[in-house]
Amino acid sequence: SQKIEQNSEALNIQEGKTATLTCNYTNYSPAYLQWYRQDPGRGPVFLLLIRENEKEKRKERLKVTFDTTLKQSLFHITASQPADSATYLCALGEDTGFQKLVFGTGTRLLVSP
Amino acid sequence: DVKVTQSSRYLVKRTGEKVFLECVQDMDHENMFWYRQDPGLGLRLIYFSYDVKMKEKGDIPEGYSVSREKKERFSLILESASTNQTSMYLCASSLVVGRGQGTDTQYFGPGTRLTVL
Repeated sequence: SQKIEQNSEALNIQEGKTATLTCNYTNYSPAYLQWYRQDPGRGPVFLLLIRENEKEKRKERLKVTFDTTLKQSLFHITASQPADSATYLCALGEDTGFQKLVFGTGTRLLVSP
Repeated sequence: DVKVTQSSRYLVKRTGEKVFLECVQDMDHENMFWYRQDPGLGLRLIYFSYDVKMKEKGDIPEGYSVSREKKERFSLILESASTNQTSMYLCASSLVVGRGQGTDTQYFGPGTRLTVL
């Protein structure tokens, strides 16, 4: 069966450290993968996209890697801040006729001062 | 900036009522989506639409219908609300891009928290 797995347990880290979140998938062939941030009671907000032929993508303090052999993406936030505390969702897009995304359940990140 | 608005942030309805959730986007996006989000289950796609008057079932369409009479507006209808439809409902929109170039970045509204009593 198809699955997208993100760590359901919250990730607690100290301010200034690097947070690393994982997204593993099974029985998908994604053409690209996206990461979204969601704050409590709000809709998700797009952060980064990485395509299947890309190994790594960066944007300011964010970095995403995509390993299609391991079927895994890692999402890193360097020099984390309390304002980074949120739930982070990964989403897969397959290059099919309809442009849909399939979302993971998200990992909650808590950055303490 | 893309703006997606939803008609209500919070809604309380009774079992058996017909419920309308409205979503409007202002960026001329072709695609629009309705999701529900529940703890531990993540975002699940109910219906989506890729053009006016066009709709496709998502993963959990039972008990729901949709309407898209204008490009900017996508409505979710609960024909007869039940308590298991208590959830956060999220609308999203995205631009159509060419096949093989898809990014499908979705822009979400703030969500409607629906409680069915």
